[in-house]
Amino acid sequence: DVKVTQSSRYLVKRTGEKVFLECVQDMDHENMFWYRQDPGLGLRLIYFSYDVKMKEKGDIPEGYSVSREKKERFSLILESASTNQTSMYLCASRLQIYMGAHSNQPQHFGDGTRLSIL
Amino acid sequence: SQQGEEDPQALSIQEGENATMNCSYKTSINNLQWYRQNSGRGLVHLILIRSNEREKHSGRLRVTLDTSKKSSSLLITASRAADTASYFCATSVSQGGSEKLVFGKGTKLTVNP
Repeated sequence: DVKVTQSSRYLVKRTGEKVFLECVQDMDHENMFWYRQDPGLGLRLIYFSYDVKMKEKGDIPEGYSVSREKKERFSLILESASTNQTSMYLCASRLQIYMGAHSNQPQHFGDGTRLSIL
Repeated sequence: SQQGEEDPQALSIQEGENATMNCSYKTSINNLQWYRQNSGRGLVHLILIRSNEREKHSGRLRVTLDTSKKSSSLLITASRAADTASYFCATSVSQGGSEKLVFGKGTKLTVNP
């Protein structure tokens, strides 16, 4: 079974802090994703990565950055945390058959990090 | 606006009954996926149906896809209390050389014992 592990289930930080959310997957998946989930808005894609050192902006990248130095790890960084970044953050990974093709593969999610910015 | 919209937003049924959730979308898709989320947890993949497929089964789950109507339905038969969760449809779309999933807002299913 695919295991996607997010470093913290709950996290409380202060406005202006630099916040790191870590995600590790153990299935050698090429693709990794960061989403945030808010009531009434559903899941929204922040950033994704097709492979090591690759990253692409999703729908709401403002205020965030990412790092993918190793294949198994995808980090989400809040450069200067603000209260409107209080949310549930979900990481996912996916097997990519080959670049440019439709990947008819599911995404595998971690349990999420509930982040509160005070 | 959201690519996928689930209907209904909430559904409450008795154990043993069937539950049907619907999803509508706007643009052409590569595939459509259904996920389940228990309260406070991550999403779990249930079933994937490709754009050239019309129906798919997995255990008590049955998914249909009508690309002419841009809609899908998820049927859970003989529901159990453990099926209580939120269910999301997600459409796989190609955008500018990338492929991503666009999620709906979900249907909250409650199965009463």
